Amino acid sequence: NAGVTQTPKFQVLKTGQSMTLQCAQDMNHEYMSWYRQDPGMGLRLIHYSVGAGITDQGEVPNGYNVSRSTTEDFPLRLLSAAPSQTSVYFCASSLGRAVEKLFFGSGTQLSVL
Amino acid sequence: SQQGEEDPQALSIQEGENATMNCSYKTSINNLQWYRQNSGRGLVHLILIRSNEREKHSGRLRVTLDTSKKSSSLLITASRAADTASYFCAKETSGSRLTFGEGTQLTVNP
Repeated sequence: NAGVTQTPKFQVLKTGQSMTLQCAQDMNHEYMSWYRQDPGMGLRLIHYSVGAGITDQGEVPNGYNVSRSTTEDFPLRLLSAAPSQTSVYFCASSLGRAVEKLFFGSGTQLSVL
Repeated sequence: SQQGEEDPQALSIQEGENATMNCSYKTSINNLQWYRQNSGRGLVHLILIRSNEREKHSGRLRVTLDTSKKSSSLLITASRAADTASYFCAKETSGSRLTFGEGTQLTVNP
């Protein structure tokens, strides 16, 4: 198993551009989530999904959209990038709907100029 | 707002010493988890303790949970240079949300 795969690893955007961060897992996990990590802030939950067709907002959802059309994929869309969205983004998944053990991807470093 | 306060923010010890990190939280939890992050990498799950448990062990790791004080501690015994990393506590509350603290940066000097 590859686990949780995130692409791209690095991305530079200009303010106002849109893009999609990809996340895929091959472990048949029901739960998937997106976090952003900023220095001194720990990880903050953006959006999460407890199964295909179900998504919900986390702590910091503004400026981001998600969808879960399949069990494997959970893309994160930035609608109109802002410098405040410069961060490291992590996708994570868990077997069941109860979040008992998250498996993390290796992260996407995003810079918005 | 962050669901947990961790202390210390940074900890530097010598190899062979024990390292203790603390985590406090504000609302009731279903379980509390500890994760490790090496520089530039994703987080790795270490151990989970449920709200009805008081102590758990896994190898050189010992986790305690005091729900009356809303606090948890992670003890790493006989530390090694390879334990150098950031350690995060994460609280699972209702609604399938896992909320992370700000982390403790542990440096183990050889």
